[in-house]
Amino acid sequence: SQQGEEDPQALSIQEGENATMNCSYKTSINNLQWYRQNSGRGLVHLILIRSNEREKHSGRLRVTLDTSKKSSSLLITASRAADTASYFCATASWIKAAGNKLTFGGGTRVLVKP
Amino acid sequence: NAGVTQTPKFQVLKTGQSMTLQCAQDMNHNSMYWYRQDPGMGLRLIYYSASEGTTDKGEVPNGYNVSRLNKREFSLRLESAAPSQTSVYFCASSLFNEKLFFGSGTQLSVL
Repeated sequence: SQQGEEDPQALSIQEGENATMNCSYKTSINNLQWYRQNSGRGLVHLILIRSNEREKHSGRLRVTLDTSKKSSSLLITASRAADTASYFCATASWIKAAGNKLTFGGGTRVLVKP
Repeated sequence: NAGVTQTPKFQVLKTGQSMTLQCAQDMNHNSMYWYRQDPGMGLRLIYYSASEGTTDKGEVPNGYNVSRLNKREFSLRLESAAPSQTSVYFCASSLFNEKLFFGSGTQLSVL
C-alpha cells in the first residue's frame, strides 16, 4: 500500500480562491515533499518540509507538517488557471545503506476555473 | 542543461517481447529511480539506485531488471513484457536523496 494518501482526490475551485489538500502517511519520515504534475508530463518539485519543521512557505504555497498526526497539508493561495494540475505528496524514509526512499501518494486533481 | 532524459517517449510491444528503457541525467546526481504511473494513480517505485554500483527493489519490482551503468545512466529492462506492464514510466534523479528531478516519461503499451 502507498505511504502517503491525499485528500480530496479531486478539487474544483474558481480562480482567485484558495486550494487546500491534505496528505496522511503511516510510518516515520525524514521529510515530506509536494510535487505538481501537468497532464501528460513529468512531476515537478514544489516544496520540501523536514520532519523537524512545522510550516514552510514558497511564494503562494504554504505547507504544514504535523508529525504527531502523521499528516501534511498544502495550501495554494489566490489560485490561477495555470495551477490546474495533479498534486502529489511524497514521503522520504531512511533505508539503511540506500539513503532516503520516496513514496508517493495517489494525488489530488485540482481544476481551477477561470 | 538537459536534466533527465528518457528514451523512447512511446513504445508498443507485443506480449513476451523485451525492451530496455534508457535514462540519463547530467546533474551529477548520485541517486536515480524508476517509477511507473497507472491511469489516475500516483507513482509506484520499481527500482532505485542510491549510488553508482548499487540497486535496490522498490514496491513493484517483479518483471523488471535495472542496470546502473555509470553515475549518469540507469536503465530499466522488461525481459518478457506483459499487458499488466502497460503504464507510463518515469525516471528521476536526486542529489543526496532530496528533491527529485523527473524525466518526461515513456508511455508503454503491451498488447
